[in-house]
Amino acid sequence: SSELTQDPAVSVALGQTVRITCQGASLATFYASWYQQKSGQAPVLIIYGKNNRPSGIPDRFSGSTSQDTASLTITGAQAEDEADYYCNSRDTSGNLWVFGGGTKLTVL
Amino acid sequence: QVQLQESGPGLVKPSQTLSLTCSVSGASIGIGRYYWSWIRQPAGKGLEWIGRVHISRSTKYNPSLESRLTLSVDTSKNQFSLKLSSVTAADTAVYYCARVKIGATEFDPWGQGILVTVSS
Repeated sequence: SSELTQDPAVSVALGQTVRITCQGASLATFYASWYQQKSGQAPVLIIYGKNNRPSGIPDRFSGSTSQDTASLTITGAQAEDEADYYCNSRDTSGNLWVFGGGTKLTVL
Repeated sequence: QVQLQESGPGLVKPSQTLSLTCSVSGASIGIGRYYWSWIRQPAGKGLEWIGRVHISRSTKYNPSLESRLTLSVDTSKNQFSLKLSSVTAADTAVYYCARVKIGATEFDPWGQGILVTVSS
């Protein structure tokens, strides 16, 4: 079982804003990172640290954390944002890495 | 631009050892500022962190795999490797290698992944 909990599925209307959450005790200490995975492809890092985006990631993606819950927000969701989204962080010891179970985002 | 590429057999028999290598290009694995990691994903399921290795030979493993797992690094070849013994069908997955900076949580970049099937 994962130490990071995500909702299995979320949907959003085209152009609207959606928040995907990740809950876990370790997030009170360590930042979450977020990955986008499209069908048949490797995951791609989209958010890391407090709220950092790697080069090439659109600014409609943003991240935040409150206590033990991290959030990925997509402001103005596009059709190409339909994908699986995973969070990851360290475990509570800080020595190991863990992933959330993933959230399937559908853009309506 | 750093790139990672997994290689190894796509088919392994039950009870045998799964061996994979990740070749790193665009950067020296010997710099020491990074951990080199493995992550896997069974078909239709989520990501599972397998473990990480440093050029100092220090390792950390997922407790669920630790008894069967060995990670190593070869700085002369700019590669790192995974060996998972006594495999079963439950080890069938796409295996990814990835880099993580020491002190960070994020994996970047990732290899393209390699499908390993455990079957007789």
